[in-house]
Amino acid sequence: DQQVKQNSPSLSVQEGRISILNCDYTNSMFDYFLWYKKYPAEGPTFLISISSIKDKNEDGRFTVFLNKSAKHLSLHIVPSQPGDSAVYFCAASAGDSWGKLQFGAGTQVVVTP
Amino acid sequence: DSGVTQTPKHLITATGQRVTLRCSPRSGDLSVYWYQQSLDQGLQFLIQYYNGEERAKGNILERFSAQQFPDLHSELNLSSLELGDSALYFCASSVGTGALGEKLFFGSGTQLSVL
Repeated sequence: DQQVKQNSPSLSVQEGRISILNCDYTNSMFDYFLWYKKYPAEGPTFLISISSIKDKNEDGRFTVFLNKSAKHLSLHIVPSQPGDSAVYFCAASAGDSWGKLQFGAGTQVVVTP
Repeated sequence: DSGVTQTPKHLITATGQRVTLRCSPRSGDLSVYWYQQSLDQGLQFLIQYYNGEERAKGNILERFSAQQFPDLHSELNLSSLELGDSALYFCASSVGTGALGEKLFFGSGTQLSVL
């Protein structure tokens, strides 16, 4: 039962343009959402998060938007840089569920010069 | 470098065997988590320990077990291995319980290949 879905397995974007990664979830109990970034041969690293009481959170070039009614969130990267080429995972948790994160399958982003 | 150390990095074994994966959390972190990533899939939560006690369990098979020791390092034991157990196993740690969206710090993983 995949409660967090990333329907785009890959995304190619030109350097300097905007990257938009999408994520959908089915569990209405989720109230924290996180994005992790993963380079080959490394573990995922935390990128940005948002709680369900907000609809937007920004950190430098990265912005996450949350639409609770649609059970949808997105990650915007502006401007995209070659170093952003990685796999991006969306994850969600219910606040009282300890550390049981539900991850999506990931989106491979390739930023071309 | 996340500060989370996993050993070994690679493990090749045969069906029916038993293996142990080891994880040392970041200094000061009390929680250790184990995740499994199979081909083209997201990370699947297996189990969480907090300060030596099991706190949360995912879809962990009965053939798998884990523990967290007094020095807070953790081991994941996989027994009666099957071909389908081949995957990348990640350990992560956090300062607290992981609640309220606390971020996790991941190790670089152990790639298990069951032949």
